[in-house]
Amino acid sequence: EAQVTQNPRYLITVTGKKLTVTCSQNMNHEYMSWYRQDPGLGLRQIYYSMNVEVTDKGDVPEGYKVSRKEKRNFPLILESPSPNQTSLYFCASSPGLAYKNIQYFGAGTRLSVL
Amino acid sequence: EDKVVQSPLSLVVHEGDTVTLNCSYEVTNFRSLLWYKQEKKAPTFLFMLTSSGIEKKSGRLSSILDKKELFSILNITATQTGDSAVYLCAVELSSNTGKLIFGQGTTLQVKP
Repeated sequence: EAQVTQNPRYLITVTGKKLTVTCSQNMNHEYMSWYRQDPGLGLRQIYYSMNVEVTDKGDVPEGYKVSRKEKRNFPLILESPSPNQTSLYFCASSPGLAYKNIQYFGAGTRLSVL
Repeated sequence: EDKVVQSPLSLVVHEGDTVTLNCSYEVTNFRSLLWYKQEKKAPTFLFMLTSSGIEKKSGRLSSILDKKELFSILNITATQTGDSAVYLCAVELSSNTGKLIFGQGTTLQVKP
């Protein structure tokens, strides 16, 4: 089944404790992206990747890192989480900008930083 | 500043009603407009529109784009309780980023 898989689905952590949210897609998509969703603000892009080893900042990249060492994986790293990073996070992938950029979303990771 | 505005923000209807959700946008470089349905989990893709006046249809759902007036509507006819969800409108920019600008969403509740 074609899908975008995120783990974990739920995470409670404390300020300053490094964490990684994994994202994997099995559709051989070139483009991958991370979003956060907050009440009243909608979905906002954190980082995106056009292809392996190519990543760039979205609208709200502060406090986050990403890497794209393999085509299928695009982990989101919070080196020192803070309470303002409490949010619902979505990973998405699409075939790429040369095609229809229909982004398919993972199930989401709900993160609480205490 | 690029922005996408959806209206209404929330809507309560009864089964069988027809609803119209609105999405207006102001962006620098438009490439496409997408509609997603979100039911307490991942947004799922509904439609992508790139040209004005061409209606996309899928069962009871349909959508149309007006690039002159900068808006799109999503129609749902004969609503069912399973249509209850948040409907998201997003505009893809034609910059080389694949970026989607999302609206705040419209929360639709369909009562039996």
